[in-house]
Amino acid sequence: AQSVTQLGSHVSVSEGALVLLRCNYSSSVPPYLFWYVQYPNQGLQLLLKYTTGATLVKGINGFEAEFKKSETSFHLTKPSAHMSDAAEYFCAVKGPGGYQKVTFGIGTKLQVIP
Amino acid sequence: DAGVTQSPTHLIKTRGQQVTLRCSPKSGHDTVSWYQQALGQGPQFIFQYYEEEERQRGNFPDRFSGHQFPNYSSELNVNALLLGDSALYLCASSETTSGRVDTQYFGPGTRLTVL
Repeated sequence: AQSVTQLGSHVSVSEGALVLLRCNYSSSVPPYLFWYVQYPNQGLQLLLKYTTGATLVKGINGFEAEFKKSETSFHLTKPSAHMSDAAEYFCAVKGPGGYQKVTFGIGTKLQVIP
Repeated sequence: DAGVTQSPTHLIKTRGQQVTLRCSPKSGHDTVSWYQQALGQGPQFIFQYYEEEERQRGNFPDRFSGHQFPNYSSELNVNALLLGDSALYLCASSETTSGRVDTQYFGPGTRLTVL
């Protein structure tokens, strides 16, 4: 079974500062990892995903994440926060094969302070 | 190209009633998954449909049932509604290729309120 733990249910950063949202995973098989963003009263939008290959993954809106197997981590970063980045971010994991379900973390709400 | 669509947007029901939510997948997608997102929580997997059959289910009672139609659209039915069923219900579509499900794309959700 797979699971993810998101450290920090709320994160505040100043506009222009580094964004770092933490995610650690647990998986008995090589995982597929995802970051999704959810704006108020909307569904989830895929930011980026890791399946195999390059461990540094670039996504939309300037976000990127690095898969670190030794640390079982998949932290999301963005060099410079923008007001429009304020939203809730979900880390998710699934197994690599078959049709395993996607398991989500509890989410991290990002506040950007002007 | 339309993405994943869901209807209705909002729904208010009373305890004990039944509800049906609908989802149309993204063009080219043949797999539909349903999730329940309670307030302040991450989405929880309900079940997944492929080739008109439920092929995986999460930890939800059998009050939750579904259906997939030949055009790949899907319905989620919930019977005997409880207050705790109040949540955002998300539909996600994906493509199953060589037995493997690709990335899931989510619809905007249906907000269900049970009074």
